[in-house]
Amino acid sequence: NAGVTQTPKFRILKIGQSMTLQCTQDMNHNYMYWYRQDPGMGLKLIYYSVGAGITDKGEVPNGYNVSRSTTEDFPLRLELAAPSQTSVYFCASTNGQGANYGYTFGSGTRLTVV
Amino acid sequence: GQSLEQPSEVTAVEGAIVQINCTYQTSGFYGLSWYQQHDGGAPTFLSYNALDGLEETGRFSSFLSRSDSYGYLLLQELQMKDSASYFCAVASGYSTLTFGKGTMLLVSP
Repeated sequence: NAGVTQTPKFRILKIGQSMTLQCTQDMNHNYMYWYRQDPGMGLKLIYYSVGAGITDKGEVPNGYNVSRSTTEDFPLRLELAAPSQTSVYFCASTNGQGANYGYTFGSGTRLTVV
Repeated sequence: GQSLEQPSEVTAVEGAIVQINCTYQTSGFYGLSWYQQHDGGAPTFLSYNALDGLEETGRFSSFLSRSDSYGYLLLQELQMKDSASYFCAVASGYSTLTFGKGTMLLVSP
């Protein structure tokens, strides 16, 4: 099993550019999440999904969009990138039992906006 | 909203025991989780407590007191590889976790 796979691992964007961070999982997990982690800080929830076709905002959704057309994939779209979006982005998933049964995280995407 | 407090840094020597505390404030509570993150790596799940008491998994144990809104992670027989950041996280709803800012554990020889 590959678990949770994120691409790309690194990316440099110019201000105003757009990009999609890809996330796919092969564990048939219903719940998927996008978090960002700034240096020395914890993880802040951007968006999450409890199943295909269902998404909801987290703590810091501004500047981002998501979609969930399949169980496996949960891409995160950045429109009009800003320096404040420089961060490490983690995708995570867990089974139908919810958040308490342990997230499996991807290896992260390190994004720099210049 | 939710807030979690944990120390920013803890130091210890190999073979010792260390306790990382976490206090939380939340409007709803489903449980307290702990994650480990090595530098440059992804967080990995360590433990989860929904009920009061101590849960033991090998060298690691986690404790919860719901009445005190308090928990801790206990690491025994410390090894150099335990040097990492440790995050507590609360599930205030069924679906999502809110993470603390993390505690950096430095283990020295």
